[in-house]
Amino acid sequence: DTAVSQTPKYLVTQMGNDKSIKCEQNLGHDTMYWYKQDSKKFLKIMFSYNNKELIINETVPNRFSPKSPDKAHLNLHINSLELGDSAVYFCASSQGQGDGNTIYFGEGSWLTVV
Amino acid sequence: GESVGLHLPTLSVQEGDNSIINCAYSNSASDYFIWYKQESGKGPQFIIDIRSNMDKRQGQRVTVLLNKTVKHLSLQIAATQPGDSAVYFCAENVNNFNKFYFGSGTKLNVKP
Repeated sequence: DTAVSQTPKYLVTQMGNDKSIKCEQNLGHDTMYWYKQDSKKFLKIMFSYNNKELIINETVPNRFSPKSPDKAHLNLHINSLELGDSAVYFCASSQGQGDGNTIYFGEGSWLTVV
Repeated sequence: GESVGLHLPTLSVQEGDNSIINCAYSNSASDYFIWYKQESGKGPQFIIDIRSNMDKRQGQRVTVLLNKTVKHLSLQIAATQPGDSAVYFCAENVNNFNKFYFGSGTKLNVKP
């Protein structure tokens, strides 16, 4: 059973399009995240939600809009895609907030904007 | 074999040797650190963590050392195996929020 699952795994789309990446965790965790990993493997947090409430928004352009219908799901919608949005997007979850709460990552969604 | 973190992003070691992966963190207020392993095509996986009130923590074949004076973290892998080949990240946490900042990673290549 996959603990944190995200779809699609691969996505190729044209500039200007709108796309969504879905994420679900079956661990019963309260906190979920979206991270972006660039071509140099640098991982940076984008958003964090705790029990469906936004708690971290790391100066991400407002073209990126996370949505958490319940605490097991955190979807990422991206409007007006740009070339620079090409990256791997990782969904993650943890039991709670703060140290001692291990973050479990999904397998990643490879987004290529052409 | 030993890496110097950001300045030497790839570390090659012989199977069976010990590996040392280094990480320099930037924020002296960071009080919790995690090492993650990321295999090709997969998400990062938790390896080991350490709090700032500790200098050393051991796991199975892995040891993390923390030197707060120079803001340095290292991951030691004993008897490195081919399955250890991956990119290794250190992550720091500040002020007990789940805002982890990841280092740029070091790629470990294990030669059979």
